[in-house]
Amino acid sequence: DVKVTQSSRYLVKRTGEKVFLECVQDMDHENMFWYRQDPGLGLRLIYFSYDVKMKEKGDIPEGYSVSREKKERFSLILESASTNQTSMYLCASSSEGASGNTIYFGEGSWLTVV
Amino acid sequence: GQNIDQPTEMTATEGAIVQINCTYQTSGFNGLFWYQQHAGEAPTFLSYNVLDGLEEKGRFSSFLSRSKGYSYLLLKELQMKDSASYLCALGLYGGATNKLIFGTGTLLAVQP
Repeated sequence: DVKVTQSSRYLVKRTGEKVFLECVQDMDHENMFWYRQDPGLGLRLIYFSYDVKMKEKGDIPEGYSVSREKKERFSLILESASTNQTSMYLCASSSEGASGNTIYFGEGSWLTVV
Repeated sequence: GQNIDQPTEMTATEGAIVQINCTYQTSGFNGLFWYQQHAGEAPTFLSYNVLDGLEEKGRFSSFLSRSKGYSYLLLKELQMKDSASYLCALGLYGGATNKLIFGTGTLLAVQP
């Protein structure tokens, strides 16, 4: 059974803390993505990666960074968390040249910054 | 940039048919996707249109017209479990891979 696993489902962090959201996929996919989802705004792409150590900015990269040291793992980093980063974060992965049915989402990480 | 519009909410009756529309403006895209998302869960893939026309998959069908910048998702024989958000997304070529840009989603409530 294919899987995208986000290690933390629910987190509460303080303003200014450094936050790591981890995502692991077991499908040997080349591409990995981080989205955030907010009411009324839908899913917005933060960063994506198409290979180890490669990354590209999505639509809302400000305040975030990413790391892809291994093919199966894609980390989202909030260097200094702020309250406007309270959101649900979704990781996804896909194989090269994917059509929609090979894009898989993780279960989501609910982050609250207080 | 891209702009994707969907109705915010819709209500339909169990057993009926409902059509969820999606209009978009973009300079180019590879294909159009529809995802279903139940509350508190991850989105799951429903359909993918590359060419104009209708793609049918059981109770779900999706239509694309590139010239009109328009797509719809058609759900037949509605069931209570179809109550969910339905997300329209454009597949764009970004960097070395496809990325998905999503609309804000349509929340469908199916009533008895």
